[in-house]
Amino acid sequence: DAGITQSPRHKVTETGTPVTLRCHQTENHRYMYWYRQDPGHGLRLIHYSYGVKDTDKGEVSDGYSVSRSKTEDFLLTLESATSSQTSVYFCAIRGEGQGGYTEAFFGQGTRLTVV
Amino acid sequence: KQEVTQIPAALSVPEGENLVLNCSFTDSAIYNLQWFRQDPGKGLTSLLLIQSSQREQTSGRLNASLDKSSGRSTLYIAASQPGDSATYLCAVRLGGGGSNYKLTFGKGTLLTVNP
Repeated sequence: DAGITQSPRHKVTETGTPVTLRCHQTENHRYMYWYRQDPGHGLRLIHYSYGVKDTDKGEVSDGYSVSRSKTEDFLLTLESATSSQTSVYFCAIRGEGQGGYTEAFFGQGTRLTVV
Repeated sequence: KQEVTQIPAALSVPEGENLVLNCSFTDSAIYNLQWFRQDPGKGLTSLLLIQSSQREQTSGRLNASLDKSSGRSTLYIAASQPGDSATYLCAVRLGGGGSNYKLTFGKGTLLTVNP
């Protein structure tokens, strides 16, 4: 699992409430990513980070914000949750893999339901 | 915009059969291509990574090939087993500079291997 822990693993929240998901990594990787996975859409990039306090938007960033105050933690916040944000959220890091090349490694996911 | 297509969307085979999963992409200027496996309710497990300069990679019963000029990759699974049942995803990273390692995913092929 490349030392990636997502929390919580499951969450049910009400429409309009703020929600924060946490991704924690233990191997000091510089690059971290948040994706969402939905039926019919596959995985889509929400935001990513290339260092402490350095973040940028992905293709589906509306309604989401991120923060990275420490190398090991990348937080995803849904500012005011909506039903369209019901999804499975995955954190990923860029790390060294096969043959010394960099590749993506993923966490176990957070299943978020907005009711 | 890079688009990644995986065909077929679902595949059911008897145990022991050799099979091929297909991945195509629209922009051939890729940096690398990565194949993942995803079990139900789980995260993504990296299977094989192919750099743009490589033609194939092998790991055990898995062989992935890459034809960058035609925008195609295949994942070959030899002597399939029920434990191979999962969703298989391919993802491409564009080249052309930058180091943010954003991946574009296909929607996956759901493989069922019947005993």
